[in-house]
Amino acid sequence: SQKIEQNSEALNIQEGKTATLTCNYTNYSPAYLQWYRQDPGRGPVFLLLIRENEKEKRKERLKVTFDTTLKQSLFHITASQPADSATYLCALSNNAGNMLTFGGGTRLMVKP
Amino acid sequence: DAGVTQSPTHLIKTRGQQVTLRCSPKSGHDTVSWYQQALGQGPQFIFQYYEEEERQRGNFPDRFSGHQFPNYSSELNVNALLLGDSALYLCASSPLDYSVGEQYFGPGTRLTVT
Repeated sequence: SQKIEQNSEALNIQEGKTATLTCNYTNYSPAYLQWYRQDPGRGPVFLLLIRENEKEKRKERLKVTFDTTLKQSLFHITASQPADSATYLCALSNNAGNMLTFGGGTRLMVKP
Repeated sequence: DAGVTQSPTHLIKTRGQQVTLRCSPKSGHDTVSWYQQALGQGPQFIFQYYEEEERQRGNFPDRFSGHQFPNYSSELNVNALLLGDSALYLCASSPLDYSVGEQYFGPGTRLTVT
């Protein structure tokens, strides 16, 4: 069965450093891989989308890589700020539509 | 421009009861998806509606049903509630465009089954 793994342990980093979050998947060939941010008690907010034929995508301080051979995506936040503290969710979808399959999320804590 | 709205915000029900949750999509969106998010986990896809028809369905029992109205708003119904149905129920909307993957989520309805 399809499996998407994100580090369930919280990631604690110092303000100004680069945060790197990992998303690994098995038994899946996604057309799109997406990253969402979720704050407590709120719905996920879309951050970035990367397609299967793209290696890297950037948006401001965010960068996503997508390695379909390793079946892995890395999500980077450079110059991290305490306001970046949240849970980050990886989600995959295929060409059949835009049903999303989510990982369990990784909680990021940026300390001042 | 209003984003995705959901009602109610919170709901407490007793085991065996039935519940209806409501969602209005973002303006210009015609596709609505519902997700269940248990505490500490990622959202799980329940089903998706387009043109008032269920297009896709996740691995949820028939107790979970839905409806989409001509104005694209949607309802999620859950019958014979179980304790395990306690979760945050999220509605997401998107345009039906396979080149667009991202979805816009509402704030969710927190359902507690006692």
